[in-house]
Amino acid sequence: QVQLVESGGGVVHPGRSLRLSCAASGIAFSNYAMHWVRQAPGKGLEWVAVISYYEGDKYYAESVEGRFSISRDNSKKSVYLQMNSLTGEDTAVYYCATGGSGPGHWGQGTLVTVSS
Amino acid sequence: DIQMTQSPSSLSASVGDRVTITCRASQDIRNDLGWYQQRPGKAPKRLMYSASSLESGVPSRFSGSGSGTEFTLTISSLQPEDFATYYCLQHNYYPLTFGQGTKVEI
Repeated sequence: QVQLVESGGGVVHPGRSLRLSCAASGIAFSNYAMHWVRQAPGKGLEWVAVISYYEGDKYYAESVEGRFSISRDNSKKSVYLQMNSLTGEDTAVYYCATGGSGPGHWGQGTLVTVSS
Repeated sequence: DIQMTQSPSSLSASVGDRVTITCRASQDIRNDLGWYQQRPGKAPKRLMYSASSLESGVPSRFSGSGSGTEFTLTISSLQPEDFATYYCLQHNYYPLTFGQGTKVEI
């Protein structure tokens, strides 16, 4: 079955950077667009970014545009989220999800806490 | 950006009740809408895609309808495991946008 495993979360100081990873199994990864979605503590879901299956197209939420960068390595069946200039507003559980008709299969998430 | 207005924000219901949740888009999104269920402490799970198509393995008591700007998720007979928060998501335009969520409580 499809499995997505996020990693790389943790506690980071404001202004610093963090890189999240998501490893996929059970799918033809190179055929899927991939999303990152986040959820701040006690809040709703916020879409963050998407990358097309061939890495040609990338789109971002306005709240992260210019600070976050999504990439993928199809040979490793992995998608990444490079997060720079982090603020407390970025504190959230970050989920990766397969693309298609919107996010389909989701990972269990990784918690990012931005705090001094 | 497309705004997704979801209502109600919460509701109280009993096992066996029929429950309806509505999502309204600020502009035409055709049928590019999904519905997601999130139980506490868990990742979201997609229930419906393309507004009215049931995800594989999802019970048939869940149904979706609508197109354009008005969409509905219906649970025909609420079960104990259905107490959760539900979100709609439009994927017609980037950035993708979620509704605010509907918490279904006992």
